[in-house]
Amino acid sequence: GESVGLHLPTLSVQEGDNSIINCAYSNSASDYFIWYKQESGKGPQFIIDIRSNMDKRQGQRVTVLLNKTVKHLSLQIAATQPGDSAVYFCAEKTAGTASKLTFGTGTRLQVTL
Amino acid sequence: EAQVTQNPRYLITVTGKKLTVTCSQNMNHEYMSWYRQDPGLGLRQIYYSMNVEVTDKGDVPEGYKVSRKEKRNFPLILESPSPNQTSLYFCASSLWGQGSHNEQFFGPGTRLTVL
Repeated sequence: GESVGLHLPTLSVQEGDNSIINCAYSNSASDYFIWYKQESGKGPQFIIDIRSNMDKRQGQRVTVLLNKTVKHLSLQIAATQPGDSAVYFCAEKTAGTASKLTFGTGTRLQVTL
Repeated sequence: EAQVTQNPRYLITVTGKKLTVTCSQNMNHEYMSWYRQDPGLGLRQIYYSMNVEVTDKGDVPEGYKVSRKEKRNFPLILESPSPNQTSLYFCASSLWGQGSHNEQFFGPGTRLTVL
């Protein structure tokens, strides 16, 4: 069936370096993608989103890239900080449906000093 | 402060004892949803509600009930909990149910253990 997945379960990055978290999706009908951050003991927190008619969107220190040709989504975090340590999820929404999101299983980002 | 609240945050119960997890949002959101989060499976949708008195099944609705009598509240009911419902539960809300750029706000989670 359709699914959203992540390539790496754990990513270790040194403080100050850039982080790249990847996500593969399989539903070509998806029209909206979101990245969430989940810190220990908390609920997922919205980071950035992108619509399928875009291939790049930038926020504060974060950039999301969408490659529809290979159904790939990535989250780039610039100058990674200890506070960025968390689990990151990508999620997709299928066009024409309600706000039902399909989530990936998550990647844990560990920032080392 | 705009937020989604859940109660209780932690609950240990026994098989068959009915329980309710409450969810409330103060953002006047139309759309609300319940998810469960299990290791290796990510977040899976249980039920959702597009508006008052409008609810529908998500991906894993078996063993759960919901109601939406008021816009702000969306309780999750387990009539006869079983051990396989041990999980971390999240309530979420968004302004409306359709369209993109529709950020979902999540509650802090409820850790449920069914013995």
